[in-house]
Amino acid sequence: SQQGEEDPQALSIQEGENATMNCSYKTSINNLQWYRQNSGRGLVHLILIRSNEREKHSGRLRVTLDTSKKSSSLLITASRAADTASYFCATDSGNTPLVFGKGTRLSVIA
Amino acid sequence: DTAVSQTPKYLVTQMGNDKSIKCEQNLGHDTMYWYKQDSKKFLKIMFSYNNKELIINETVPNRFSPKSPDKAHLNLHINSLELGDSAVYFCASSPTGTYSYEQYFGPGTRLTVT
Repeated sequence: SQQGEEDPQALSIQEGENATMNCSYKTSINNLQWYRQNSGRGLVHLILIRSNEREKHSGRLRVTLDTSKKSSSLLITASRAADTASYFCATDSGNTPLVFGKGTRLSVIA
Repeated sequence: DTAVSQTPKYLVTQMGNDKSIKCEQNLGHDTMYWYKQDSKKFLKIMFSYNNKELIINETVPNRFSPKSPDKAHLNLHINSLELGDSAVYFCASSPTGTYSYEQYFGPGTRLTVT
């Protein structure tokens, strides 16, 4: 299985601090995506990084991908209370369905 | 306008009953999906439909059947509900049948089987 595994399972930080979440996977991938899920809501796509990319930015989000280590990290800078959510990584190999990890629960305390 | 909508949002029913969950997307996407999220937040794909054809079917009991009347709708029918079916079910869509694109999720349907 190429299931992603997020680390840590839970993270609690103060508003204004940076939050870093990691994702590891087992097999070769085409792309890796990060999603956010607010409590009681559906998942929202944040960013997609392709296997030939090493880093990608979107606003306060920075994603890195290290295919040699089969890992990715999501950095949220200057966190806000509204960033409180669960964050999931998902991987695909092109012709296989997205496989989601178990998520990291982020709590940002105001 | 809501991009991917599901009804109902909550569904409470007894074991043995048959129920349906409806999903509609107004994004013009070609592919729609059903996911199940268990109590530990683990999200697993159940089905996907591309242009009204089932293209994957994970190891899901045949009590679950997707039905797509058109490209914008993918409904989920569940027969003979069991306690273990309790979960949150999400519908999603994406522009194409490959998995290299972002997916748009509905708000979820929380199914409770008693």
